[in-house]
Amino acid sequence: QKEVEQNSGPLSVPEGAIASLNCTYSDRVSQSFFWYRQYSGKSPELIMSIYSNGDKEDGRFTAQLNKASQYVSLLIRDSQPSDSATYLCAVLPVTRGFKTIFGAGTRLFVKA
Amino acid sequence: EAQVTQNPRYLITVTGKKLTVTCSQNMNHEYMSWYRQDPGLGLRQIYYSMNVEVTDKGDVPEGYKVSRKEKRNFPLILESPSPNQTSLYFCASRQVEGPEAFFGQGTRLTVV
Repeated sequence: QKEVEQNSGPLSVPEGAIASLNCTYSDRVSQSFFWYRQYSGKSPELIMSIYSNGDKEDGRFTAQLNKASQYVSLLIRDSQPSDSATYLCAVLPVTRGFKTIFGAGTRLFVKA
Repeated sequence: EAQVTQNPRYLITVTGKKLTVTCSQNMNHEYMSWYRQDPGLGLRQIYYSMNVEVTDKGDVPEGYKVSRKEKRNFPLILESPSPNQTSLYFCASRQVEGPEAFFGQGTRLTVV
């Protein structure tokens, strides 16, 4: 089992819709969770951090964390073509020291 | 401006010819790391450093070396590159207990 799993996609949504990106992780005691956006050929950009169960909103982005289910998600409201990118889920497991574990990413296409 | 600077951006080399990819950060971060990114595999950590003269292996260290003689610099050395090291490489720096928040621009390496 991979430590951080994401559906590779591509996920295609129409402009203005809600894009829902999902991630599961294996280390039950993980405390810190992150979402990155990566445009093709560019470096990852940190867009959301979440540390406790529930929802965290920042503009059009909402991160959701459910530690009991070992599940973290990212919702993008009012999706725009400029949101088309690969979204990486990352976890900072307590058992791995300070090492960040990245998922392989989900490709998102927003159709105009 | 806070940044991580990586050079070169693109490099084509031949098997066995030693090369160095440089990485420098201006944020006085203690933690620096190198990742490689391959399709379907996400970001995998090669080496990391918790401080000057303190380095350790990540998940895929074979064929790579690093050094940390100064806090700001963390070069990646390929003593004898092989075609399976063809990849996109990223250097990152951060506060020890934070997420990977600052990435270099990436180095696309091709070994023929």
